[in-house]
Amino acid sequence: AQSVTQLDSQVPVFEEAPVELRCNYSSSVSVYLFWYVQYPNQGLQLLLKYLSGSTLVKGINGFEAEFNKSQTSFHLRKPSVHISDTAEYFCAVSVITDKLIFGTGTRLQVFP
Amino acid sequence: DGGITQSPKYLFRKEGQNVTLSCEQNLNHDAMYWYRQDPGQGLRLIYYSQIVNDFQKGDIAEGYSVSREKKESFPLTVTSAQKNPTAFYLCASSIAGQYSDTQYFGPGTRLTVL
Repeated sequence: AQSVTQLDSQVPVFEEAPVELRCNYSSSVSVYLFWYVQYPNQGLQLLLKYLSGSTLVKGINGFEAEFNKSQTSFHLRKPSVHISDTAEYFCAVSVITDKLIFGTGTRLQVFP
Repeated sequence: DGGITQSPKYLFRKEGQNVTLSCEQNLNHDAMYWYRQDPGQGLRLIYYSQIVNDFQKGDIAEGYSVSREKKESFPLTVTSAQKNPTAFYLCASSIAGQYSDTQYFGPGTRLTVL
């Protein structure tokens, strides 16, 4: 069965600084990978997803992620964060024969 | 506007009472899902349905029940058998239930059992 690990439960960063949120997965077969964002007391919204093709995926709000098969990672990056990026970010993985599995989330706190 | 609505936003119940959480979507999606979210644990799948009148258990179905009588509706009942029901509940839908599909989420219902 597949699994996903988000090593950082919290990431503090100053406004306009770059940020990377780490996600590693475990699977013996090809995977689909997702990043979702959750603002306080709201549902989740898709930031981006990797299904196949180019390993660099661009999403909404200036975020991007790179699929690295050899390192089984799908880290999320943004070159310059804004206060409004403060939220919880979830990495998720699925395979063709199984449901979506979510990581435990990373809380991004952007300070002025 | 198309989307998913969940009601109520906040729900308080006494221990031992059953409670039903509403989820409606007007996206014309075939698949619908219920997740439970607890602090530091991410989202865990309770039930999902890929077609009307059919649904499957997820990872933590014990103490919960669902129905799917209409395409647009997927209510979740939290029964008295659920040992720790206080949590944030999220409903989602996807176009066809394929594992590559994007899931669209409602705003959630926060259930507190007193």
